[in-house]
This record gives sequence, C-alpha cells and structure tokens, in this order.
Amino acid sequence: SQKIEQNSEALNIQEGKTATLTCNYTNYSPAYLQWYRQDPGRGPVFLLLIRENEKEKRKERLKVTFDTTLKQSLFHITASQPADSATYLCAPLTTDSWGKLQFGAGTQVVVTP
Amino acid sequence: KAGVTQTPRYLIKTRGQQVTLSCSPISGHRSVSWYQQTPGQGLQFLFEYFSETQRNKGNFPGRFSGRQFSNSRSEMNVSTLELGDSALYLCASNQQGNSPLHFGNGTRLTVT
Repeated sequence: SQKIEQNSEALNIQEGKTATLTCNYTNYSPAYLQWYRQDPGRGPVFLLLIRENEKEKRKERLKVTFDTTLKQSLFHITASQPADSATYLCAPLTTDSWGKLQFGAGTQVVVTP
Repeated sequence: KAGVTQTPRYLIKTRGQQVTLSCSPISGHRSVSWYQQTPGQGLQFLFEYFSETQRNKGNFPGRFSGRQFSNSRSEMNVSTLELGDSALYLCASNQQGNSPLHFGNGTRLTVT
C-alpha cells in the first residue's frame, strides 16, 4: 500500500539556520508533491507544489526538491525565524488522487531565538 | 474573499449520539473534502464531494457520511459516536481537481 513517511521527531533549530525536512514515499509514483504548514488548532495552509519534472521550487525563504528516483522530497526553510515554528506536512499525489489527498504525519519545527 | 468556514468550532457529545458538522467553502469552489485528524493517525481522508455528488471516499465505516448542497456547502454526519471518533475534523475546498486545498480551522469533536 502507499506509504508516506516524514521525520516523526521534532526538529529544533536556532533562528537564522536552515531547517531541512524529509518526505519519503513508497509504492506509488506521484506526479506532484505538495507541502502544507499547520499551526496548533488550525487547518493546514498550502505552501508549495512541485511537479515531477521540476527538480526544485522556491518561494521566498522556502525551497522544495523532488527526487523521483529516490522517492523523496526535501523541504528547506532558510534563515529560519521563530514564526516558522509549526508542523509541516507533505502530500504526494498522482494525477487521479487530487480529490483524495493523502498526507504524511508531519514534522514539527521549533525555531528558537 | 472569505476562507473556509466550519461550524461549530467545538463540540462535546456522548457515546452513542450522532453529530452533524458544517462547512462553507470558499465562494466559487465546487469541491469539498473532509479529513479527520488525530494525534495517532494524522490527517485521514474521509470523503470528497463535487457538484453534490460524492466523488471519492476514504476507508471509514458507514457511520461517517456526508452531503453537499447546491450552493457547495457541505455537512458531514457521524452516527453512533464512539470514543475513538474524538478528533479534529477538517473541511477543505478547492476550485478544481488540480488546485491546492484550502482548509478551514476545523471542528474539535470530543466524545465522552
């Protein structure tokens, strides 16, 4: 069955450093991969989408890579700030799974001043 | 544009009761999806509605049901509540199949 794995342990990082999160998937070949951010008690918020033919995507201090050979996506937050503290969820999807997104368990990031 | 609105925000029910949760999508969004989020299982897909029809369904028992109205508003119902149904129920809408989801802030359901 399809499986999505994200680092289960919280990532503690000092302000100004780069946080790198991993999303691994098995038993399917997604054409897209989305990343969301979730704050406590709130719904996830969409951040970035990367397509299988895109190696890298950037948005401000965020960078996502997508390696279909390794079946992995990396999510980087550069020059991290305490406001970046949240849980980050990945959601790989195939062309026929848009209406039934599956999410990884998420990785909590804690940025300390 | 107003975001996705879910009501109520919090709900406490007793085992065996039933509950109805409501979701108003972003104006113009025709697809509405529902998710259950628990600390142990994470975000689990329940079902998706498009133009009043259930288009996709997750692996939940028949006690979980939903519907969508002609104005795209959606409700989900859980009958015969169990303690394990305690969770944050999230609704999301999107404009078309290949666009990102916009989530509401959820309904926190506690079953005692």
